[in-house]
Amino acid sequence: EAGVTQSPTHLIKTRGQQATLRCSPISGHTSVYWYQQALGLGLQFLLWYDEGEERNRGNFPPRFSGRQFPNYSSELNVNALELEDSALYLCASSRGPAGSAFGSGTRLTVV
Amino acid sequence: KNEVEQSPQNLTAQEGEFITINCSYSVGISALHWLQQHPGGGIVSLFMLSSGKKKHGRLIATINIQEKHSSLHITASHPRDSAVYICAVTQGGSEKLVFGKGTKLTVNP
Repeated sequence: EAGVTQSPTHLIKTRGQQATLRCSPISGHTSVYWYQQALGLGLQFLLWYDEGEERNRGNFPPRFSGRQFPNYSSELNVNALELEDSALYLCASSRGPAGSAFGSGTRLTVV
Repeated sequence: KNEVEQSPQNLTAQEGEFITINCSYSVGISALHWLQQHPGGGIVSLFMLSSGKKKHGRLIATINIQEKHSSLHITASHPRDSAVYICAVTQGGSEKLVFGKGTKLTVNP
């Protein structure tokens, strides 16, 4: 069974640009979660999508948005990139309360 | 007080030592995860537990639901075990993950 896959693994963008990160959940998982781990900080909850709808979001500005597609894959978009957006972005997927599977993350660097 | 507390924050060991990392949580959970994050940043899921004990190679994870506590043990530690180990819980009912701050393990040869 394929795990949660994230792409790209590394992404370098210039301040002010937009970044798009992608996540494919485990087959059968309908929920996708996005987390940010900025340098020196723990993982922070960003967004939760389930069945194509945004269910919850963390304390992040509207520049952070995303969507979930009919096949349950998801995109995270970060607009007007700022230097402090440089971080590891982790995706997790789940189906019900049985727990989550994790991707290995996308390292975003904003220069 | 954080909902998920890990200890110790930093741990240095000599190769071959037995390592224990602890995780305590204060919320109702449906599952607990142990994650490993290497210096490059990539994260690997080690275990998902809802009860009892799991073993994979030199790694053992235990959970005590009544005491709201989990431990990650590494036997015969090796320098390649050097990483940050993160405890995360899936809150019952919300499915949202809550993460501990991580334990940085350094194993010296």
